[in-house]
Amino acid sequence: GAGVSQTPSNKVTEKGKYVELRCDPISGHTALYWYRQSLGQGPEFLIYFQGTGAADDSGLPNDRFFAVRPEGSVSTLKIQRTERGDSAVYLCASSLRLADTDTQYFGPGTRLTVL
Amino acid sequence: AQSVTQLDSQVPVFEEAPVELRCNYSSSVSVYLFWYVQYPNQGLQLLLKYLSGSTLVKGINGFEAEFNKSQTSFHLRKPSVHISDTAEYFCAVIAPYGGATNKLIFGTGTLLAVQP
Repeated sequence: GAGVSQTPSNKVTEKGKYVELRCDPISGHTALYWYRQSLGQGPEFLIYFQGTGAADDSGLPNDRFFAVRPEGSVSTLKIQRTERGDSAVYLCASSLRLADTDTQYFGPGTRLTVL
Repeated sequence: AQSVTQLDSQVPVFEEAPVELRCNYSSSVSVYLFWYVQYPNQGLQLLLKYLSGSTLVKGINGFEAEFNKSQTSFHLRKPSVHISDTAEYFCAVIAPYGGATNKLIFGTGTLLAVQP
């Protein structure tokens, strides 16, 4: 079946602009996660959802970052007033349930470049 | 807090040779352990995971890993590598009772470069 998809695959923007990154999880998966992977680093947790609600957003770096999942499926990560330091690959993952033992399936990521 | 260390940023190896990718973790509580692989321009794919039970875990593509609690290690091994194994490998933990539930904490990755 279809895996996790993310759009766009690449996004180039200018400093100060607003961007939205979209994630389509695997059908039927109730949990959704966002991670950020900077160059030469492993992915770092940002936020996860159980259904429509953000169960843990402790990884969001500041209030310029926000994520929503209004219908419990697709999620959008929103970044306001982008900065050059926001440049990274943003990864989305989903799992069948919100459980430590459930495998998180990752999408291919969105590469964000802030000029 | 939990952390994961992958000391080798790159491991070159010849085709059909054995390989070991090292992973050590730090945690004051029990953890679940994972190895993910990232092929070029693709998403992270789970190779294997240790939750409990036998400390030797077998995964996909002929990989296996052994959990060693006393050494806080979870090294990944393959007896004979192929060119197609060239990829970035990430070790990760989840600490279900350590305030980091459901969050994968990743190491910095090891690039396995298989040469003909």
